[in-house]
Amino acid sequence: QVQLVQSGAEVKKPGASVKVSCKASGYTFTSYDINWVRQATGQGLEWMGWMNPNSGNTGYAQKFQGRVTMTRNTSISTAYMELSSLRSEDTAVYYCARRVVGADYWGQGTLVTVSS
Amino acid sequence: DIVMTQSPDSLAVSLGERATINCKSSQSVLYSSNNKNYLAWYQQKPGQPPKLLIYWASTRESGVPDRFSGSGSGTDFTLTISSLQAEDVAVYYCQQYYSTPLFTFGPGTKVDIK
Repeated sequence: QVQLVQSGAEVKKPGASVKVSCKASGYTFTSYDINWVRQATGQGLEWMGWMNPNSGNTGYAQKFQGRVTMTRNTSISTAYMELSSLRSEDTAVYYCARRVVGADYWGQGTLVTVSS
Repeated sequence: DIVMTQSPDSLAVSLGERATINCKSSQSVLYSSNNKNYLAWYQQKPGQPPKLLIYWASTRESGVPDRFSGSGSGTDFTLTISSLQAEDVAVYYCQQYYSTPLFTFGPGTKVDIK
């Protein structure tokens, strides 16, 4: 069965970077885009960007341009999202999800806490 | 950027009654070359990731009960739960995937039991 398994919770200081992984299984990793979405506690969903695991092409929301990098390692079917220059407002649950045309499978979420 | 709005912010419906959620985009998400509306609906329960209900505005995802239906075109869309069940209590989001790379979500509509 299709699964996206994300890395564990992180606590970071302001100004640091965080790299969240998303390991895919149960399907051909390079066949579907991977999206990243975040959600602050009690808030709505915020789109961050997407990556084509086959080509490595990416598209980032302007809000995150210059701070976010989405990459992949096809040999281990894993996508990564790195966010730099962290600030308190980046405290949120970060999700990876498969497919742009309606994200059909989601990771369990990774809580990133930014605190001094 | 395409801005998505939803109404109402929340609603309470009796079990077995109809629930209707509206979603409006600031510009059309209908792609004329294929006549498809680039809009999806998700359900999110507390502590869980979102679940895809509908894509292409009206195509139900596999395994989603047929009491969930999506309609609309262009800029105005509706998610209907024909007969609300207790397990449908959740927040519902619409999302456009027309305008790459910013595939914006609506702010969400909370559905409760009356």
